[in-house]
Amino acid sequence: GEDVEQSLFLSVREGDSSVINCTYTDSSSTYLYWYKQEPGAGLQLLTYIFSNMDMKQDQRLTVLLNKKDKHLSLRIADTQTGDSAIYFCAESKRDAGNMLTFGGGTRLMVKP
Amino acid sequence: GAGVSQTPSNKVTEKGKYVELRCDPISGHTALYWYRQSLGQGPEFLIYFQGTGAADDSGLPNDRFFAVRPEGSVSTLKIQRTERGDSAVYLCASSSTGSREQFFGPGTRLTVL
Repeated sequence: GEDVEQSLFLSVREGDSSVINCTYTDSSSTYLYWYKQEPGAGLQLLTYIFSNMDMKQDQRLTVLLNKKDKHLSLRIADTQTGDSAIYFCAESKRDAGNMLTFGGGTRLMVKP
Repeated sequence: GAGVSQTPSNKVTEKGKYVELRCDPISGHTALYWYRQSLGQGPEFLIYFQGTGAADDSGLPNDRFFAVRPEGSVSTLKIQRTERGDSAVYLCASSSTGSREQFFGPGTRLTVL
């Protein structure tokens, strides 16, 4: 989606932290999401953050939101080979029925 | 409980043919969404149902695309006169009233030859 942008590819070593970045353009976005897509599988919601929050932590996942810069990041601590997948950032807009606008996805490759 | 299911998982058709793609949402979920994911891209919104009515169909690319949800549960996405550019994975998602979480099905891979 043209409103949400992500880098295409990230490679890390097993055990390292991964940081996947996303920028969005619409200041009326109310919720921002991270989805994971593994080959042949559907999209799995990892976490989401309301736009008036700065940070959300859930086990190995930390989401940081810089509303001023319209920048969202997902940090995965102690990255495992099972974390290899495509990660999509998405936004939903106020009063828009919660329809999601997705970025193009970042392919995370975890090397043993 | 069962998740969102979609049938068929794969559909191969010829240019100009008509296809129907089915989505069974999670039981009790009032909202249903259709998205289309082309190769190497993120999903793009097509249409959103709240109950039986299409609350937002602004993502449908043209009038060859149509979707229904007659009883507020199962939905069918219908594509007339298919074109090669319609080839993509069609994803369905559902959510419960007031929830921000959309649960996605595995998708239907449509290939138009």
